[in-house]
Amino acid sequence: EVQLLESGGGLVQPGGSLRLSCAASGFSFSSYAMSWVRQAPGKGLEWVSVISGSGGTIYDTDSVKGRFTISRDNSKNMVFLQMISLRAEDTAVYFCARGMNQLPRGAFDIWGQGTMVTVSS
Amino acid sequence: DIQMTQSPSTLSASVGDRVTITCRASQSISPWLAWYQQKPGKAPKLLIYKASSLENGVPSRFSGSGSGTEFILIISSLQPDDFATYYCQHYNSPWTFGQGTKVEIK
Repeated sequence: EVQLLESGGGLVQPGGSLRLSCAASGFSFSSYAMSWVRQAPGKGLEWVSVISGSGGTIYDTDSVKGRFTISRDNSKNMVFLQMISLRAEDTAVYFCARGMNQLPRGAFDIWGQGTMVTVSS
Repeated sequence: DIQMTQSPSTLSASVGDRVTITCRASQSISPWLAWYQQKPGKAPKLLIYKASSLENGVPSRFSGSGSGTEFILIISSLQPDDFATYYCQHYNSPWTFGQGTKVEIK
């Protein structure tokens, strides 16, 4: 079964750091780009970062540049989101999503269940 | 940056109704447009990609059309399972979602 499982969310103080993980199973992981998408409570979807299948191409949304870093370990079928200098406005459910091909340009056909990140003092 | 604007924001409809949701981009984005369905507390589900291609397993009552800057999602006969929020997405740099359209029971 094709599956994505996020972990690593939690409560963190403003200015703090957190590392999200997404474990993939059931498909050839390195053949697909992977993304992180977030959804603040009661709000819409916001794309955060994407990484190509090889890991050689990365794009981030402007609001997280310099603070969030997407990476992947194709030997372990994992994608990560390292988040530093967290702000209250980063509070959201973070979803891991699979792109439809190796290159970043693709719709997101498989999603994880999400992990909640709360930034608050 | 490309802006994606959906209309309406909320839509009240009955089972069996034909539902149309519009998504407009601030510049031409063809054909990199997808539609997703999201239910409360759940992850989004891909319905349509490349503006009009139906994702595997999605019922044929869902269809997408459009090009350039204007795109449409049609549900030909609304079913009870279809009450949800729908998002369009431009999936190229930057990957941008519309603000969502909530389809609620009339």
